[in-house]
Parts: sequence; C-alpha cells; structure tokens
Amino acid sequence: KQEVTQIPAALSVPEGENLVLNCSFTDSAIYNLQWFRQDPGKGLTSLLLIQSSQREQTSGRLNASLDKSSGRSTLYIAASQPGDSATYLCAVPRSANQAGTALIFGKGTTLSVSS
Amino acid sequence: DGGITQSPKYLFRKEGQNVTLSCEQNLNHDAMYWYRQDPGQGLRLIYYSQIVNDFQKGDIAEGYSVSREKKESFPLTVTSAQKNPTAFYLCASSIQGWANYGYTFGSGTRLTVV
Repeated sequence: KQEVTQIPAALSVPEGENLVLNCSFTDSAIYNLQWFRQDPGKGLTSLLLIQSSQREQTSGRLNASLDKSSGRSTLYIAASQPGDSATYLCAVPRSANQAGTALIFGKGTTLSVSS
Repeated sequence: DGGITQSPKYLFRKEGQNVTLSCEQNLNHDAMYWYRQDPGQGLRLIYYSQIVNDFQKGDIAEGYSVSREKKESFPLTVTSAQKNPTAFYLCASSIQGWANYGYTFGSGTRLTVV
C-alpha cells in the first residue's frame, strides 16, 4: 500500500531564506506527483504537477523535483516571503501506474516565514 | 468562473442526526472525490466517483454515503453511524485520466457535532 511521508512537519524561517520541503513515497511506480498549498481553514490549491517522466517543474519561485527510483520529491522555495506561510502537502495516485484514480496525501509541512 | 462550490461553509450536527454536505462543480470534470481532514493529519479519502451513477469506497467510508446522479454534483451524507464526524471535509474534482491536469479542490465544509 502506498504511503506518503513529509519531513519536517513544521518549519520556521526568516524572510528571504531559501528552503526545501521533502516528500517520500513507498511505491516508486507512480504516474505523477502533485504539490499543494493549504492556507488555514481553506481548501487546497495546486502548485505543481510532475509527471513520472519529468525530473522537475518550476513555477515562479517554486521548483519541484522528482526522483522516482529513490521515492523522493522536494519542493524548493526561493527567497521566502511571509505570504508563503501555509501548509504544503504532496500527493501521489493511490494505485500504481494509474492516472485516473484518487490521491493519497502526506500529512504536510507547515511553513512559517517571519518578516 | 469555473470551480467547485461546497456548502455550507460551517455545519453543526446533533447526536444521531444525518447531515448532507453539498459539492457542485461547473468544470465539466468526470471524477469527483470526498476527503476528510483532521488536525495534524493529511487528507483521507472517503468516497470517489469517476462517472455518473458509479462510485467507490475510499479508506474511511464507514458512516458515510454518497450519490452521483448528475455529473456536476456529488453530495456526501454523514450518517449517525459515523461516531466521530467532527472534521474538515474537502471535495475535489478532476478530468478523467487527470494526469496532465491534476486536481481542483473546493473551499471545504467544517462539520462540528454539538
């Protein structure tokens, strides 16, 4: 059964720092991996979607990498800002090598960026 | 604008009462999902539906029921059999074969037992 783990559970940094959030998954036969952001009391917003054939995806100050063979993904946030404070979750399909299926999520990393 | 609408935003349930959470999407997505989120926990899958008139149980379906009579709608009923229903409930949708497009989430319903 696929399991997703995110480390650390919480992270506090001063504004301007570059930081890395980690996600690991137990079954490397994933179709893709998605990173989400969740603000307190809100729904999830999709940040980046990486296909299994890709190594990384970039959107603005965010860069996500994927290493299927080691079962790891990282989310790199450059020049962090107080507005980046949120919980970041990664997710992979529940069933290996299937695209049209539900996701399984990690518990998230709660980021706090102080000004 | 296209999106997913969940209502109500806050819901209070008395002991032994059934309540229904609404989820409507105008994205023309085939698949819809219900997740539950507890404090400090990730999202856990309750039910999902990949096509109208068909749905599958997720990891924590006991005490919940769903229907998918229309493509746009996927309501979730929390029955009295669900002993610990207080949680944040999130609905999502995706194109069938969503690999290239990912998921879209609603803004959630917070359910509290009083």
